[in-house]
Formats: sequence, C-alpha cells, structure tokens
Amino acid sequence: KAGVTQTPRYLIKTRGQQVTLSCSPISGHRSVSWYQQTPGQGLQFLFEYFSETQRNKGNFPGRFSGRQFSNSRSEMNVSTLELGDSALYLCASRQQASYNEQFFGPGTRLTVL
Amino acid sequence: DQQVKQNSPSLSVQEGRISILNCDYTNSMFDYFLWYKKYPAEGPTFLISISSIKDKNEDGRFTVFLNKSAKHLSLHIVPSQPGDSAVYFCAASATKKSSGDKLTFGTGTRLAVRP
Repeated sequence: KAGVTQTPRYLIKTRGQQVTLSCSPISGHRSVSWYQQTPGQGLQFLFEYFSETQRNKGNFPGRFSGRQFSNSRSEMNVSTLELGDSALYLCASRQQASYNEQFFGPGTRLTVL
Repeated sequence: DQQVKQNSPSLSVQEGRISILNCDYTNSMFDYFLWYKKYPAEGPTFLISISSIKDKNEDGRFTVFLNKSAKHLSLHIVPSQPGDSAVYFCAASATKKSSGDKLTFGTGTRLAVRP
C-alpha cells in the first residue's frame, strides 16, 4: 500500500504570495490532518478533515485554510505569506477519525523570502 | 501553552545502553499517548502507544511507561542502536472529547546513539 504523499516537496515563495500544498492519504484513509513543524515548536496542529468536513482546528490565523475532496485528497492554502510561515508542513492520514495512529507524509518544506 | 512538554532537547547514549526519553503533560483529559520517531527529510513514523488504562506497553526494544498521577510518560529503548538516532516526539490525545482527539505533540528530543 502506498504511503501518504505530499506535493511539492520543496517550495520557495516571497512575502505576500499565497501557496497551495497537496496531500494524498493512504488508500482507504478518510481522515487527513495538517501540521506545521518549526524548530523549537514541535508539530503544531493546523486542522483535520474527515469526509470533506473540517472536524477540528488548531490555533492558526484565518490565512491558513484547507479542504478535502471526495477522494480524500486534501489541500492546504496559506494566503498573504509571512516570513514566519517558513516551516515544514506535514500531512497525516488515518483510517477513521477515531483511530489514534496517524501516518505521516514526508512533508513540504516551505521557505518564505 | 505547551500541553505536552519534552524538556530535554537532546540526549546522547552509548550503543547497547538504555535510552530514556521523557515527556510531561498538563491536560488531564489526555488519555492516549504515542511516540513518533522522525529522521531528517522524512515524516514522523509511529513507534508505540499507550492508553491511560495501562501503565506499561512493550514492543520489542521499546517500552513506554505512563505515570498518570505525575502526568509523565517515558520511552525506554533497550539496547540502543545507532539506527535509533533520530528525533523522538511524544504526542497525546483526548479520545473522549468528540472533536478533541487531535494529536498534541511535544517539541521533540534528538537522540544520538554513539557506536
């Protein structure tokens, strides 16, 4: 079974631009969560989608948004990029929203200049 | 407000010895705990978990201990191997909250196992 895939793997943007990241979960997994990893902050939860509905949301500004499609693929969008948005963005999937074990993708490294 | 804390950013141990990674939490609603391992340029991979109804869970060289009264858990790796060198994240979940079972992660501990 293929793992979680994320595209692109690396991205360089400038302040004020917007960016869209993509995540394809493991086949059969209906829940997708997004995390931001920065040095010293660990993994910060952004949001979770299950069956195309946002199920849970972290403490991030409205510039961060996401969606999930009927095939469970998910996209995350960040508008009006700031330097502090530079981070590794990780996507994780699980079969059901009630299952605790999440499987992570390799991440998208976003650099904002 | 860091609800899951890993106070040691790094740990270095000799190959063959025991590695002990610690994690503290503050939210009493957390009832499920996980450890993830992360290599550079890869996403975290699940290692081992424990429910709050247990105080110990073992899987091969990895054992997780949970002390609910102290809100503390630890991961023991015995014996440590150079391939264990990675960043280890502790995570917690409040499974009884209908929308609260998102994972809350600690900041990670970088383990270096010296040959």
